[in-house]
Amino acid sequence: GEDVEQSLFLSVREGDSSVINCTYTDSSSTYLYWYKQEPGAGLQLLTYIFSNMDMKQDQRLTVLLNKKDKHLSLRIADTQTGDSAIYFCAETGGYQKVTFGTGTKLQVIP
Amino acid sequence: KAGVTQTPRYLIKTRGQQVTLSCSPISGHRSVSWYQQTPGQGLQFLFEYFSETQRNKGNFPGRFSGRQFSNSRSEMNVSTLELGDSALYLCASSGQESSNRNNSPLHFGNGTRLTVT
Repeated sequence: GEDVEQSLFLSVREGDSSVINCTYTDSSSTYLYWYKQEPGAGLQLLTYIFSNMDMKQDQRLTVLLNKKDKHLSLRIADTQTGDSAIYFCAETGGYQKVTFGTGTKLQVIP
Repeated sequence: KAGVTQTPRYLIKTRGQQVTLSCSPISGHRSVSWYQQTPGQGLQFLFEYFSETQRNKGNFPGRFSGRQFSNSRSEMNVSTLELGDSALYLCASSGQESSNRNNSPLHFGNGTRLTVT
């Protein structure tokens, strides 16, 4: 079945870049997503990428997709304390059945 | 546009009771999905509805059920509650079109926090 893996924790200094990595298994995934969850809240869609793309940039966010290795990464430039949250990578298996990773907790040190 | 609205935000129930959670999708969205989030299992897919029909279902027991109304609002029901059902239940809607198997992004509500004692 589908599986999505992420490291559990990342700590960076304010102003540095953060890179959150993810590997997935379903080669038929058409969309891959990054979501952000703050304490007590639901999931906020940050960005997504089509499987036929290699890269997508959206302001401070850059998504890189290596389809051969089934590796997805999210780079946050100039990381701020407000970026502290849990970040989920997710892949789709058709008809809105989305498989999420375990989440990476990003801690930003002032 | 208003986002996905889930009610109630918090619920406390006892074992053996049943519970109904409600979700109003973003206006114009016809697909509604439900997810369970727990510290141990993470985010797990429950089911998805489109135009009042369940199109996809996760690996949950039959105690978990749902439905969708003609206005796309959805409800989720859990019967005979168990302690392990304590979780954050998240609803998501999308602008998925029926003829397209490919997905459009999910937009989540803030969830209903269910505690079973």
